[in-house]
Amino acid sequence: NAGVMQNPRHLVRRRGQEARLRCSPMKGHSHVYWYRQLPEEGLKFMVYLQKENIIDESGMPKERFSAEFPKEGPSILRIQQVVRGDSAAYFCASSPMPGNEKLFFGSGTQLSVL
Amino acid sequence: GQNIDQPTEMTATEGAIVQINCTYQTSGFNGLFWYQQHAGEAPTFLSYNVLDGLEEKGRFSSFLSRSKGYSYLLLKELQMKDSASYLCAVTWVDYKLSFGAGTTVTVRA
Repeated sequence: NAGVMQNPRHLVRRRGQEARLRCSPMKGHSHVYWYRQLPEEGLKFMVYLQKENIIDESGMPKERFSAEFPKEGPSILRIQQVVRGDSAAYFCASSPMPGNEKLFFGSGTQLSVL
Repeated sequence: GQNIDQPTEMTATEGAIVQINCTYQTSGFNGLFWYQQHAGEAPTFLSYNVLDGLEEKGRFSSFLSRSKGYSYLLLKELQMKDSASYLCAVTWVDYKLSFGAGTTVTVRA
């Protein structure tokens, strides 16, 4: 049973480009959380999704950021017109149900904006 | 607000014991995780407490007091490989999971 898979592991973008980060949850997990982590800081909640639904996006910036978790395929975190301040590690975690102790993280995507 | 507070840094000697405290607001509390994170890597699960009391797993133990909004992670017989960031995370009744800023533990020989 593969773990939570994130790709790419490293992503380099120039200012103004789009970044797409993918997260495939563990088999049987239908709940996905996205977090952002700046160097020397803790994980900041961005968005919580179930299949085809956004449950809580209170941590997402209002502009340029969007997330989806379609019926088929991975969850996607999309950042449009990236700026240098978007440079961070983006982690996703998956769970079989909300509030469950079986919450596991992917290896993260390190986004660097030049 | 969902303030989760833990110390920024702790240093201890190899073979010693270190206790990392975490406090949180009690309103809406569901459960509490502890994760270990090495630099540049994903957080790895250490423990999950829902009920009051102490849970022991080998060299690591986690304690929870729901009424006091308090938890601690106890690391015993410290090893060099235990040098890492330790994250306290709280699940709320609305199923959001919030993290503290993390405690960086440095183990010295």
